[in-house]
Amino acid sequence: DAGVIQSPRHEVTEMGQEVTLRCKPISGHDYLFWYRQTMMRGLELLIYFNNNVPIDDSGMPEDRFSAKMPNASFSTLKIQPSEPRDSAVYFCASSLRDRHNSPLHFGNGTRLTVT
Amino acid sequence: DAKTTQPPSMDCAEGRAANLPCNHSTISGNEYVYWYRQIHSQGPQYIIHGLKNNETNEMASLIITEDRKSSTLILPHATLRDTAVYYCIVRFGSGNTGKLIFGQGTTLQVKP
Repeated sequence: DAGVIQSPRHEVTEMGQEVTLRCKPISGHDYLFWYRQTMMRGLELLIYFNNNVPIDDSGMPEDRFSAKMPNASFSTLKIQPSEPRDSAVYFCASSLRDRHNSPLHFGNGTRLTVT
Repeated sequence: DAKTTQPPSMDCAEGRAANLPCNHSTISGNEYVYWYRQIHSQGPQYIIHGLKNNETNEMASLIITEDRKSSTLILPHATLRDTAVYYCIVRFGSGNTGKLIFGQGTTLQVKP
């Protein structure tokens, strides 16, 4: 299995532009998570899905952020318009089920820089 | 979810055992203890988890105290590649949440 695949690995954009981050979870996993990591705030959970349905989006910072999961093998995190404070590493993770013996598998992240 | 407390940093000599402590004094009966680590610029990696019994796998051992208020992750023979940030997390074992909430973790530096 290729693991969780995120694209792009690096994204540099100007303030005000739309940014779309992509994630392909591990096949068969039915939970998908989006995290953000910064030096100041560490790893923060933004949103997670179960069977393509958003379950908890309380970590999404504001309306400029949106996430979708149109099918079991693809999710996007969109920022529109982007701001310099959105600069961070964004991680996607998936797990098989919400069980104690089902660890999260993380991708290698997308490093976003907004200038 | 219960909060955890970890030392911000630790050193360990290469080849020696690394013992990483974690306090979780408010843990409830159905919460599991999970350990993840994050090597620089990579995504977090699952290591091990447990409820109340000690656990061992190919990566590490997890020792949980009888009262479950603290635990220790043991890397039996640390290598330079074990240098990473180690996160101790408590998480519900069942129910309607799959959330993992990360704290600040312990930065382990393995030295030659």
